[in-house]
Amino acid sequence: DSGVTQTPKHLITATGQRVTLRCSPRSGDLSVYWYQQSLDQGLQFLIQYYNGEERAKGNILERFSAQQFPDLHSELNLSSLELGDSALYFCASSVAPNTEAFFGQGTRLTVV
Amino acid sequence: GNSVTQMEGPVTLSEEAFLTINCTYTATGYPSLFWYVQYPGEGLQLLLKATKADDKGSNKGFEATYRKETTSFHLEKGSVQVSDSAVYFCALSDTQGGSEKLVFGKGTKLTVNP
Repeated sequence: DSGVTQTPKHLITATGQRVTLRCSPRSGDLSVYWYQQSLDQGLQFLIQYYNGEERAKGNILERFSAQQFPDLHSELNLSSLELGDSALYFCASSVAPNTEAFFGQGTRLTVV
Repeated sequence: GNSVTQMEGPVTLSEEAFLTINCTYTATGYPSLFWYVQYPGEGLQLLLKATKADDKGSNKGFEATYRKETTSFHLEKGSVQVSDSAVYFCALSDTQGGSEKLVFGKGTKLTVNP
């Protein structure tokens, strides 16, 4: 158990819909990262938050957004979903820069 | 930008065989290097890491040495077990622009047969 909790584990939704993925980082970790894992793109960095503020953006679509709340949990919002958004979405947390990130078990999103 | 290239799989070995999974990187500066493992149906787990040149990371019989001259971080294990079957990802820490994201290779699937 990494200490990072993601909910839900599985999500099936229709095209055009909006979903919210939730992540609770390890106790004490201030940084939260979101990654997307798909068969064709591999593991892609989406976005990072540090202590409530956006720190870095990667290959995140405009239809996607995220935030980190005062209690440090984070949510990733995916809207106007397309079939190609089907993937495993991972959250990770770390305590400081250049230290290892601990990953949650992921949310498997299927868009039908 | 920074990138990681690792050998494409899948790799299939018999139990007790020697394992090498090649990983090379391109980076500015001096990133930390990591190997993560993903067992079926699970998230990624850190296997080992190295933070500077010539460091050797090791864990559970796996080893990797940070080679700056060859920009490599190859994963090795002397005798694999069936339980080592998983997908292995090489990664580097990218701290450009104030972020601390990980840049991953595409992963190498290892299957160990009894």
